[in-house]
Amino acid sequence: DAGVIQSPRHEVTEMGQEVTLRCKPISGHDYLFWYRQTMMRGLELLIYFNNNVPIDDSGMPEDRFSAKMPNASFSTLKIQPSEPRDSAVYFCASSSGSLEQYFGPGTRLTVT
Amino acid sequence: GEDVEQSLFLSVREGDSSVINCTYTDSSSTYLYWYKQEPGAGLQLLTYIFSNMDMKQDQRLTVLLNKKDKHLSLRIADTQTGDSAIYFCADRDTGRRALTFGSGTRLQVQP
Repeated sequence: DAGVIQSPRHEVTEMGQEVTLRCKPISGHDYLFWYRQTMMRGLELLIYFNNNVPIDDSGMPEDRFSAKMPNASFSTLKIQPSEPRDSAVYFCASSSGSLEQYFGPGTRLTVT
Repeated sequence: GEDVEQSLFLSVREGDSSVINCTYTDSSSTYLYWYKQEPGAGLQLLTYIFSNMDMKQDQRLTVLLNKKDKHLSLRIADTQTGDSAIYFCADRDTGRRALTFGSGTRLQVQP
């Protein structure tokens, strides 16, 4: 298996623009997680899905952030409008039964 | 709320053992994890331990868990330069599937 795939790997955008991050989980995994990593706050959970259904979105910072999982092999995290404080590395992870979470390589987002 | 704490930095010489420590506050933690992150890369799962275990060994890695003190450690035997990375401790409680991560310990291995 190719592991968790994320795209793009790097994204630079201007404040106010819409940003969409993409994730393809490992085939057969039923849990998908979105995390954000910053120097100030470390790694923090944004949202996770089980069988494509959002279970816990308490970590989503505000209404500017939204996440979807239209099918078992694809998820998106959207920020609209983006702000400089959204600059971070965004990780997607997947697991089967949520015991062992496997992380993707991350998307480094820079909002200027 | 839950809290996971780690020291920020550890420096060792190649060939020595490294011990990275972690403390957590959530008494309902069921699984505790160690992840490794190399520069510019994602997190690599190294090992995990169930909360009813005291120790787990996997090749050069030994995990010790003191549940009473809520203390977790990762020992790397015969540390190599390739072990230089940031090591994250994380826990998972019974109700929540997601992980709570510590701030990470940067391990520097000197030749």
